[in-house]
Amino acid sequence: GAGVSQSPSNKVTEKGKDVELRCDPISGHTALYWYRQSLGQGLEFLIYFQGNSAPDKSGLPSDRFSAERTGGSVSTLTIQRTQQEDSAVYLCASSLDNEQYFGPGTRLTVT
Amino acid sequence: AQSVTQPDIHITVSEGASLELRCNYSYGATPYLFWYVQSPGQGLQLLLKYFSGDTLVQGIKGFEAEFKRSQSSFNLRKPSVHWSDAAEYFCAVGPASGGSYIPTFGRGTSLIVHP
Repeated sequence: GAGVSQSPSNKVTEKGKDVELRCDPISGHTALYWYRQSLGQGLEFLIYFQGNSAPDKSGLPSDRFSAERTGGSVSTLTIQRTQQEDSAVYLCASSLDNEQYFGPGTRLTVT
Repeated sequence: AQSVTQPDIHITVSEGASLELRCNYSYGATPYLFWYVQSPGQGLQLLLKYFSGDTLVQGIKGFEAEFKRSQSSFNLRKPSVHWSDAAEYFCAVGPASGGSYIPTFGRGTSLIVHP
């Protein structure tokens, strides 16, 4: 079946602009995660959605970052007023039973 | 708080040699443990997982890992490495406390395979 998809695969933006990254999870998966992976670093947790519960936003690095999940499915991660330090690969994962399935990621470059 | 340590940033092995990647974790109860592999430009793919039961876990691509509670370790092994195994490997531990299931990942080990 279809896996987790993310779009765009690459995004180049100018400093100060807003960007939106999209994640389509596996159908039926109730949990959805966003992670950030900087060059040579591990995965940095950003935000976690589980069903209809309030999201766990404890990993968001600043108030420039926000995410929403509509209808328990598609999620959008928004970064406002992008900074060069936001350059990274943003990974989305979905899960049904404590096993995460990852998308290919969106590579964000802020110039 | 839970944490994961992968002490080796890079590991270099010759094709056909055996491999062991180290993972140590800190968690207050019996953890869920995972190993993922990430090829360049790709997302993470699950190699194997431990939830309970037999402490020696078999995964895909000929990998196995052993959960050792006394050493807080979950090392990944493969008896004979292939060139296609060159990738980044991540160990993860979960669940978190407080009701949110958020696995914690190590910083990864980069595997280099020489012909």
